[in-house]
Amino acid sequence: GNSVTQMEGPVTLSEEAFLTINCTYTATGYPSLFWYVQYPGEGLQLLLKATKADDKGSNKGFEATYRKETTSFHLEKGSVQVSDSAVYFCALSDLAGGTSYGKLTFGQGTILTVHP
Amino acid sequence: GAGVSQSPSNKVTEKGKDVELRCDPISGHTALYWYRQRLGQGLEFLIYFQGNSAPDKSGLPSDRFSAERTGESVSTLTIQRTQQEDSAVYLCASSLRPAGTPQETQYFGPGTRLLVL
Repeated sequence: GNSVTQMEGPVTLSEEAFLTINCTYTATGYPSLFWYVQYPGEGLQLLLKATKADDKGSNKGFEATYRKETTSFHLEKGSVQVSDSAVYFCALSDLAGGTSYGKLTFGQGTILTVHP
Repeated sequence: GAGVSQSPSNKVTEKGKDVELRCDPISGHTALYWYRQRLGQGLEFLIYFQGNSAPDKSGLPSDRFSAERTGESVSTLTIQRTQQEDSAVYLCASSLRPAGTPQETQYFGPGTRLLVL
């Protein structure tokens, strides 16, 4: 079956530090990959996505590259801000399976705290 | 509306009672999903609607859980005879295109936080 494994948190960084949150996946077909973010007190929001191998998703300074050879989709940001403090979820949607219906399979989430 | 809305935002109930959770998807979105997020865990898929039909109910944890969708819009998730392990945040998401479309993006509501005492 499909699964997503995320780097365990929590992750604590100082402002302007470099961020990497690792994400690897297992899928039976050809998944699309997503990063969702949940800010304190808010709902889940799509941060970025990639739909095929070697695609790079980017948004708000965050980037992630779909690496089929390593089945990974690591999230990176060159210089984090206090406002980036949130929970980050890696997810996949497997489109090739006849019964997957696009449902998202999520990792367990990584809590990021950025200090001034 | 502008986004997916859910009600109530919080629900406290006693063990054994039934609860109904409501989701209003973004207008025009044909696909609707329910997920559950237990404390400290990732989201678990519960059920998927395309229009008013539910082709995938594989995530419903027991026969105490059911859901329906009417008018290709509002959906209600019902939990009968609630148990303490049902305590979680229940999230609804909708997407414009049917599931399986490569560019499909799911937009999430704020969730309903359910506490079963």
